[in-house]
This record gives sequence, C-alpha cells and structure tokens, in this order.
Amino acid sequence: EVQLVESGGVVVQPGGSLRLSCAASGFTFDDYTMHWVRQAPGKGLEWVSLISWDGGSTYYADSVKGRFTISRDNSKNSLYLQMNSLRTEDTALYYCAKVQQDFTIYDAFDIWGQGTMVTVSS
Amino acid sequence: EIVLTQSPGTLSLSPGERATLSCRASQSVSSSYLAWYQQKPGQAPRLLIYGASSRATGIPDRFSGSGSGTDFTLTISRLEPEDFAVYYCQQYGSSPRVTFGGGTKVEIK
Repeated sequence: EVQLVESGGVVVQPGGSLRLSCAASGFTFDDYTMHWVRQAPGKGLEWVSLISWDGGSTYYADSVKGRFTISRDNSKNSLYLQMNSLRTEDTALYYCAKVQQDFTIYDAFDIWGQGTMVTVSS
Repeated sequence: EIVLTQSPGTLSLSPGERATLSCRASQSVSSSYLAWYQQKPGQAPRLLIYGASSRATGIPDRFSGSGSGTDFTLTISRLEPEDFAVYYCQQYGSSPRVTFGGGTKVEIK
C-alpha cells in the first residue's frame, strides 16, 4: 500500500524551530517529486514547498522562503521540512504529498498523508 | 503567481442534482495543468481530476472536468450523499510553484 505518514508537529513558541518528517512506503520514493502543503484551521490549502526526486531542485512559497528548508533522504524514504523563525500564522496542519508521475516536477498530487499539526503560540 | 478564484463559495444542492463548480485563473494555465481535489472533514484531500479533464484512478464517472486557458469547471452529474464536501482547484504547470483556489463547499440543501 502506498502510504505517507507525517510526524513532528507540536506546540512551539513564536521564533522557535521545528522539523517535520514524512515517511514514505509502498512506492519507489527516490523517483518522485514531493511537496509540503499546509492548511490553517478552518481555511483552505496553501502550497509550501517542493523538492525534486533527486533533491536537486527546491522551491518555496514566498510566505516561507528564507525560513523553511525542504530536504529528503532517499536512503531512508523520508521527506523533511525544517521550519525556523516560526510565526503564529504558520499554525496549520502540514501535509506531505506525492506527485503522480515519476521524474517530473509538474504534476498533480495523487497521494497525501494525514497531516501533522503545528501550533505556534506563546 | 497565478491566482485561482473559485465560485461559488458555497453550493447548496440536493442529492441527485447536478453540481457545477468554477475555477478562474488570473492568467493562462499552461498545458491545462489544472487539478481538482475533494476534501471531507478530518480527511486529507483526494485527487479527482488532473490535466483539466482526466479522472484520477478510482474516481467515478459522475465527476468530470473541462476547460482551458483561464476558465475551468468541475461537474458532478448527480450528487451522491458522499459527494458533499469541499472542492479545491489547483494549478501545477505555470511555474514550479503550485497554487490552490480558495475552495467551494458543496452542502446539502
């Protein structure tokens, strides 16, 4: 079964740091571009970042650029999001998602995890 | 950045009725790289449509997508009880940076 499982979400103070993880299984992880998407409570979906299958290309939403870093360890079938200088507006459920086709950046997301909740509050 | 505007914000319909959801882009979406997702409370989004009109694996044929350029539509031909949810459009082709629309909630009338 193709599966993504996020972890690492906690309550953190403004200005703090956090690393989210996404464990992948059931597919050849190192063939696929991966994304992070977040959803603030009661709000819509907001794309956060992507990383290509080989880690060679990364992109960020303007709202997180310079504060968040996406990475992956293909030997561990894992995706990460390092979040620094956290703000209250970063409070959200964070999903990792896989694209449909291998070796492409431009594609829809066919598999999503269940999300991990990050709360930034003093 | 391409901005996607979905309308209406809420659609109140009865089971068996036809639902028509709109997604308008601020500039042309290249190669029809437009997708639709369904999200139910407490669940992750589910891919319904990609490439503007192709159904994802396992999606019933009552769901159909159409459009090109800046105007796209998701149609649910006959609403089933399990179709009441929030629907999002997404563009994924005009730059590596993906954008989502604000969502349309389809609720039971």
